[in-house]
Amino acid sequence: AQSVTQLDSHVSVSEGTPVLLRCNYSSSYSPSLFWYVQHPNKGLQLLLKYTSAATLVKGINGFEAEFKKSETSFHLTKPSAHMSDAAEYFCVVGYGNKLVFGAGTILRVKS
Amino acid sequence: IAGITQAPTSQILAAGRRMTLRCTQDMRHNAMYWYRQDLGLGLRLIHYSNTAGTTGKGEVPDGYSVSRANTDDFPLTLASAVPSQTSVYFCASSIRLNTEAFFGQGTRLTVV
Repeated sequence: AQSVTQLDSHVSVSEGTPVLLRCNYSSSYSPSLFWYVQHPNKGLQLLLKYTSAATLVKGINGFEAEFKKSETSFHLTKPSAHMSDAAEYFCVVGYGNKLVFGAGTILRVKS
Repeated sequence: IAGITQAPTSQILAAGRRMTLRCTQDMRHNAMYWYRQDLGLGLRLIHYSNTAGTTGKGEVPDGYSVSRANTDDFPLTLASAVPSQTSVYFCASSIRLNTEAFFGQGTRLTVV
């Protein structure tokens, strides 16, 4: 069965330091991959998407993610965290007729 | 209307009552979805629709029904609410299945 695993339920960084949110997926073929962000009491917003055009994907707000097929990973990174990045992040994999969500990673940014 | 609109934004419902959550999109997307979000579980798909007139079951369809009479509307009905259906419900749409989805602001439902 297809699945997506976010390796950390919580990540805490200091403002100005790099962010790494990890995601691994299982699939028998190359899926579509997405990262979404959810700020408190808000809906989900698309950060970026991978659809096989390039392995390094740039998204909004300085985020990017690299698709590594050999590692079945799609980790999200940002060089320098900002206070406004504090939110919950979801790695999402598209299989067939549905999108499968990871359990989410809550990012805390300390001043 | 711009994007996806859900109504109501929140609701407290007595167990056993019937409830319909409304969802409307103005992007002319073919695919629509209903998810529930529960702490530690991420979002789980309840039902989806590939196009007007067709619907399908997701991971957790029991206790819920949907209809897709036209492109824009995708209501979710709880025929007889139970406390385990307390959750935040998100409606979403995409141009077609398995592509980037756009989400509504959510409906917070409490069944007591």
